[in-house]
Amino acid sequence: RKEVEQDPGPFNVPEGATVAFNCTYSNSASQSFFWYRQDCRKEPKLLMSVYSSGNEDGRFTAQLNRASQYISLLIRDSKLSDSATYLCVVNMLGGAGSYQLTFGKGTKLSVIP
Amino acid sequence: GAVVSQHPSRVICKSGTSVKIECRSLDFQATTMFWYRQFPKQSLMLMATSNEGSKATYEQGVEKDKFLINHASLTLSTLTVTSAHPEDSSFYICSANFLFGSGTQLSVL
Repeated sequence: RKEVEQDPGPFNVPEGATVAFNCTYSNSASQSFFWYRQDCRKEPKLLMSVYSSGNEDGRFTAQLNRASQYISLLIRDSKLSDSATYLCVVNMLGGAGSYQLTFGKGTKLSVIP
Repeated sequence: GAVVSQHPSRVICKSGTSVKIECRSLDFQATTMFWYRQFPKQSLMLMATSNEGSKATYEQGVEKDKFLINHASLTLSTLTVTSAHPEDSSFYICSANFLFGSGTQLSVL
């Protein structure tokens, strides 16, 4: 089983649609969770952190279910500029207090006019 | 604000040559930096963890003699791809404190 698994995608949605991304992780000792956005041939950029209580930032809502080891990202009223690859990222605490980010393969989103 | 600066953004080199990529933390110190590699349509794969003042920790399957890492200060880590070959062509990205450099696209001819 892969450490971080995401929907394979790609997702092609019309402008204004609501789209949901799902992610599961295998290591129950994982400490923290994030969604990153990556544009083609660019570096990943932090979109939002994910908490058990759920968090919302404008049109974006992230949710964590530790019991199911499941993370989600919801984008409402999608815009053309939302087109990108969305990466589910899990942080595990390693030895000597260091951390290690593990990335999912990403789900590509294309928002169509 | 805190930024991770990576140079060069793109490099094209001949097979057999060595290429150095720099990663700097701006406005913060980083005792640990991470080097990733990303092939087209693949996820970022951690290559090694760079530790200031000590040896880097390499992930399984990554040749430490081929990918030399130096982390001599709290703000600079370098990755040197030695004797590069076409199969080393990839997008290399460094990271510190959950921030990423802008990446280096390496093309080996």
